[in-house]
Amino acid sequence: SQTIHQWPATLVQPVGSPLSLECTVEGTSNPNLYWYRQAAGRGLQLLFYSVGIGQISSEVPQNLSASRPQDRQFILSSKKLLLSDSGFYLCAWSIAGVSEQYFGPGTRLTVT
Amino acid sequence: RKEVEQDPGPFNVPEGATVAFNCTYSNSASQSFFWYRQDCRKEPKLLMSVYSSGNEDGRFTAQLNRASQYISLLIRDSKLSDSATYLCVVNANTGNQFYFGTGTSLTVIP
Repeated sequence: SQTIHQWPATLVQPVGSPLSLECTVEGTSNPNLYWYRQAAGRGLQLLFYSVGIGQISSEVPQNLSASRPQDRQFILSSKKLLLSDSGFYLCAWSIAGVSEQYFGPGTRLTVT
Repeated sequence: RKEVEQDPGPFNVPEGATVAFNCTYSNSASQSFFWYRQDCRKEPKLLMSVYSSGNEDGRFTAQLNRASQYISLLIRDSKLSDSATYLCVVNANTGNQFYFGTGTSLTVIP
């Protein structure tokens, strides 16, 4: 069966510090991968998606970036965090573009 | 106009009640539709996919109306454990983009 992991679970970072969140998927090959952010009391905002190694599409211009160095690894990064980057970051995967998505447990980021 | 719109609620219903949520979408070429459930401070979890012919899973029934561009979720015989936020999700015609509603909050009261 497929599983998706995210770490860390929670993170408190000062403004201006760098960020690296990691997501890995097990039990499937060549998944589509997604990064979302959910601000407090708001809906999910798609940040990035990837259909293959090194292929990243950005949905929202911001100070975040994503990379996919391996088939089942997706990394979300920032060089300098802003207060507005606080939120619940969720990684998800899907088998094909139109199938359902499955989410990891998420990382709760607080920028202070 | 938002891609997906939901009534945020909250819906407060007694145990055993029937409750229905609707969700509208703007892109008529949308291909796939889903309902997710999200508990407080947790990740969304797939509740059910929504098929053109409608589908049922136990106490849950989902329907799609392409002409009016909405999907619905009906929960019968509500349980306390049904308390959660229900997210409507639509897959755009590009295939790689999923649009989420902001969710409808349900609280089932003893």
